[in-house]
Amino acid sequence: DTEVTQTPKHLVMGMTNKKSLKCEQHMGHRAMYWYKQKAKKPPELMFVYSYEKLSINESVPSRFSPECPNSSLLNLHLHALQPEDSALYLCASSHGLAQHTDTQYFGPGTRLTVL
Amino acid sequence: EDKVVQSPLSLVVHEGDTVTLNCSYEVTNFRSLLWYKQEKKAPTFLFMLTSSGIEKKSGRLSSILDKKELFSILNITATQTGDSAVYLCAVIQGAQKLVFGQGTRLTINP
Repeated sequence: DTEVTQTPKHLVMGMTNKKSLKCEQHMGHRAMYWYKQKAKKPPELMFVYSYEKLSINESVPSRFSPECPNSSLLNLHLHALQPEDSALYLCASSHGLAQHTDTQYFGPGTRLTVL
Repeated sequence: EDKVVQSPLSLVVHEGDTVTLNCSYEVTNFRSLLWYKQEKKAPTFLFMLTSSGIEKKSGRLSSILDKKELFSILNITATQTGDSAVYLCAVIQGAQKLVFGQGTRLTINP
C-alpha cells in the first residue's frame, strides 16, 4: 500500500476564514511533507516533518501553520490567506531514513481557492 | 544555486512514436534522481536512479542516469494516449529535500 490520502479534495475559503488541510498515511513512514503547486509549475516544498518534528520550513509565511499530531497524520492550518495562495497543496511521505533511497509518495492534493 | 532543468518543456507526438525526455541537474549534495508522472493531480512515482549507467525499466518506460555528465533521460517507446501527462524530474538533495525541474508536458495524439 503506497497510498497517501488528503482531505478535502477541494476547498474554497475567504480571506478571513480559518481552515485546515489533512493528510494521512499508513505506510509507517516517518517523514511527511507539504508542497504547494501553482498551475503549470513544479511542486514547491513548504515544510518537512521528520519523526513528528518540524525539520524544514522553507520560509513559509506564518498564515500557514503545519502540525504533526502523530506519525500518520499531517495537518496544514490556514488563516488569513491571500488570493495568491490559491494552488494545489500536495502532501507526501517517505520512510524518513537519512539515506539516498528515500522516495516520496504523493497524495492526490487539495485544490484550494482563496476568494 | 541548485537547479534541475528539463527539456523539452513541451512535446507533441503521435501514438506509437518513441520519446526521450531529458533532465540535467546542478545540485549540491546529490543523493538520487526521481522521475514522476503527473496527470490531473498527484505526481506518481516512476523511477529512482542512484547509480550511473544502470538502466531501470518498467514496461515501455526506461530511464538511466549519468552522474559524470549530470543528467538523466526517460524513454517511452510505443507511446499511447494514456502516456499524456507532465513528467517531472526531481533530485533528492541532502536528507529529505526534493528539487524539481519545470516538467515536460507530453501530449500523445491518436
